[in-house]
Amino acid sequence: GENVEQHPSTLSVQEGDSAVIKCTYSDSASNYFPWYKQELGKRPQLIIDIRSNVGEKKDQRIAVTLNKTAKHFSLHITETQPEDSAVYFCAARGYSSASKIIFGSGTRLSIRP
Amino acid sequence: DTGVSQNPRHKITKRGQNVTFRCDPISEHNRLYWYRQTLGQGPEFLTYFQNEAQLEKSRLLSDRFSAERPKGSFSTLEIQRTEQGDSAMYLCASSLAGPSNEKLFFGSGTQLSVL
Repeated sequence: GENVEQHPSTLSVQEGDSAVIKCTYSDSASNYFPWYKQELGKRPQLIIDIRSNVGEKKDQRIAVTLNKTAKHFSLHITETQPEDSAVYFCAARGYSSASKIIFGSGTRLSIRP
Repeated sequence: DTGVSQNPRHKITKRGQNVTFRCDPISEHNRLYWYRQTLGQGPEFLTYFQNEAQLEKSRLLSDRFSAERPKGSFSTLEIQRTEQGDSAMYLCASSLAGPSNEKLFFGSGTQLSVL
């Protein structure tokens, strides 16, 4: 079955700097890769997603890149702000829209003032 | 309908007791997922439904866990003979089915503590 690995587990960056979180997946047939943000004590919420037919997607300060050959994808946050502090989870879904979504173990991002 | 609703928010039980959690998805969502999350970990897939059909159940899930969605609306997750290792946050999520509708909407979860 699908397995998603995520690193680093913790990341601390200076406010205004960029943050990068990386994930790898095992099932080469996976075709959908969402990223969720979970603030302390709150539910996970989707922040961006990418499908396997594109290599990059951007939404304001957030971008995701996908390398299907290497089976890895990354989240990039530029000009980080204090409200970016949270736990970020990558995820992957198998080849079918009926497949389950499997999550990585999470990255705790801290923004230093 | 403002989102996915889970009840109870917290449950404390003694080892060996049975517990049942409820999830009410967003009304038009036909897909419903159960995940388990422990501190410092990502949501672990347990099972999911499309309408009333249970499409998949994690192989890691013991027979003590069972889930139902009898009318394709709300769902219940039951854990029989609870163990201390069952202590976790149980998250429910819902979505529409289809290749362009994968966004999961999560509930606030049920925090289970097994003493």
